[in-house]
Amino acid sequence: GQQVMQIPQYQHVQEGEDFTTYCNSSTTLSNIQWYKQRPGGHPVFLIQLVKSGEVKKQKRLTFQFGEAKKNSSLHITATQTTDVGTYFCAWVDYGGSQGNLIFGKGTKLSVKP
Amino acid sequence: DAGITQSPRHKVTETGTPVTLRCHQTENHRYMYWYRQDPGHGLRLIHYSYGVKDTDKGEVSDGYSVSRSKTEDFLLTLESATSSQTSVYFCAIRPGQQMVNYGYTFGSGTRLTVV
Repeated sequence: GQQVMQIPQYQHVQEGEDFTTYCNSSTTLSNIQWYKQRPGGHPVFLIQLVKSGEVKKQKRLTFQFGEAKKNSSLHITATQTTDVGTYFCAWVDYGGSQGNLIFGKGTKLSVKP
Repeated sequence: DAGITQSPRHKVTETGTPVTLRCHQTENHRYMYWYRQDPGHGLRLIHYSYGVKDTDKGEVSDGYSVSRSKTEDFLLTLESATSSQTSVYFCAIRPGQQMVNYGYTFGSGTRLTVV
């Protein structure tokens, strides 16, 4: 099935620095979702993007969906220690598989105070 | 998150024993999923359900079975647990397809150790 590749696998930043994680697909995606998982926690839905070139913001987080709908990014401005966790992109396959969520492997963010 | 609970939260079991994990939802959602999470692999789909008694296999279904006799409950069974099934298991629910802008809601997970 369609896979989404996510980079980097790990990112260590100083508090106040910016952070970006990228999600790439070899084929066009109908949608992309982003989730955050805190250490020891469960994935929590952040946002869904469906339109070519779409940009959405949530406070310090900016989400983009590429023009060709083959890539997406999550950018965090001025990271805080509360941003620590693993960020996953995921794609919902609304085709024959009844809307299953296919995850990238995630980017683990650590923030040094 | 409110509306979905998993039990047990932690379990240690011996190789070869059967194990059943339970997922319970109060949202009346049609779709329910079981994922496992392992270092280096992210979250991988085991089985899913699109209605009562309607289930299908996911990416890593070998060694697992599921049942859904009621809308609110989705059970995952390891018929004969193996050490490779040591993992964190997450259940998830989502609204029907008409609510396409809603994300999945995950349970708090079950940490299973097979010794």
